[in-house]
Amino acid sequence: QAVLTQPASLSASLGSSARLTCTLRRGINVGSSRIYWYQQKPGSPPQYVLRYMSESDKQLGSGVPSRFSGSKAASANAGILLVSGLQSEDEGDYYCMIWHSGAYFFGPGTRLTV
Amino acid sequence: QVQLVESGGGVVQPGRSLRLSCAASGFTFSSFGFHWVRQAPGKGLEWVAVIWYDGNNKFYADSVKGRFSVSRDNSQNTVFLQMNNLRVEDTAVYYCARDRDADHWGRGTLVTVSS
Repeated sequence: QAVLTQPASLSASLGSSARLTCTLRRGINVGSSRIYWYQQKPGSPPQYVLRYMSESDKQLGSGVPSRFSGSKAASANAGILLVSGLQSEDEGDYYCMIWHSGAYFFGPGTRLTV
Repeated sequence: QVQLVESGGGVVQPGRSLRLSCAASGFTFSSFGFHWVRQAPGKGLEWVAVIWYDGNNKFYADSVKGRFSVSRDNSQNTVFLQMNNLRVEDTAVYYCARDRDADHWGRGTLVTVSS
């Protein structure tokens, strides 16, 4: 079973909100995991969006709009990336990443269509 | 501004070796660790390796452990990825990224392993 699971795609309307999930494998506790999020557009390298551990330990990437925010859903053992006020430039692939047992792992990515 | 420039990619036969470089500028190189991340054509991101700021701690993905080696030269502001015994499945664009957060990325260098 993969360390991280993400929905393959998500579609949302302009101006609405998109909630992207990153589910950790059973046995890996989201509560003790720092979740990183990256956005990638076609033909470009990934860009750092944010990291989220808790409300007191979080960081938005430089130049990333405050419309992007992170959180956790403990009951689902998942990290969440919320994008509010969706704009056309938010379209792209979004990847989550965690550190676990001596290695980093990326999720398979979610393609967000606006 | 922060800049990372990868180089050293190319076409190589299976079983051969290649060394990638990542030249950094615009920040205090010795204070940061670096990741190598790869992306096969049309696929998602795969983490490859990380070297911490002091160069003493290095970690690898299981898929490359024993074949790839990451190092750094603080005098040259450069991080290296030595890739030995290359396989067809190592074909990918290889990115370097700065720091634990991978907050800045280079544009990548393409490695093609083919006979």
